[in-house]
Amino acid sequence: NAGVTQTPKFRILKIGQSMTLQCTQDMNHNYMYWYRQDPGMGLKLIYYSVGAGITDKGEVPNGYNVSRSTTEDFPLRLELAAPSQTSVYFCASSYISGGPSDTQYFGPGTRLTVL
Amino acid sequence: KNQVEQSPQSLIILEGKNCTLQCNYTVSPFSNLRWYKQDTGRGPVSLTIMTFSENTKSNGRYTATLDADTKQSSLHITASQLSDSASYICVVYRTNAGKSTFGDGTTLTVKP
Repeated sequence: NAGVTQTPKFRILKIGQSMTLQCTQDMNHNYMYWYRQDPGMGLKLIYYSVGAGITDKGEVPNGYNVSRSTTEDFPLRLELAAPSQTSVYFCASSYISGGPSDTQYFGPGTRLTVL
Repeated sequence: KNQVEQSPQSLIILEGKNCTLQCNYTVSPFSNLRWYKQDTGRGPVSLTIMTFSENTKSNGRYTATLDADTKQSSLHITASQLSDSASYICVVYRTNAGKSTFGDGTTLTVKP
């Protein structure tokens, strides 16, 4: 199993550009998450999904959009990039959410810089 | 407000020494608490999970404790190794919620 994979690993955007961060998991997990991590800070939840076709906002959803058409994929869309979106983005997945037997598996991250 | 606070923010120790990291939380309703290890440039990896009824749990040289009454947890690392250099993140999960609250982490540096 590859686990959770993310592409690209690095990206530089200009203000106002758009891009999609890709996330794929091969563990047949129901739940998927997108987090951002600013330097020296904890992870903040952007969006999450409890299954194909179902998504919900996290703590910091503004400026982002998501879709979940399949169990495996959970892309994150930035429509009009702003410098405040410079961060490291982590995708994660879990079989269920938050239960004692649940574990979130994280991807390697995408480092995004908006200039 | 659901919050998770970790201390110290950073810590430097010599190889072979022990250390203890702290986590205080106000998250409610509580489901479980996890400690993650995040190596530089990598995603977090789960170390331990503590449920409400558990006081202590070990994973090799890592021992986590939980006091649900005072809402405090600690992660004790024994006989530190250079590979323990990482950020250690405390995460508290709420019951029946798809969301969790992450602490800002403690950055541990182990020097030879």
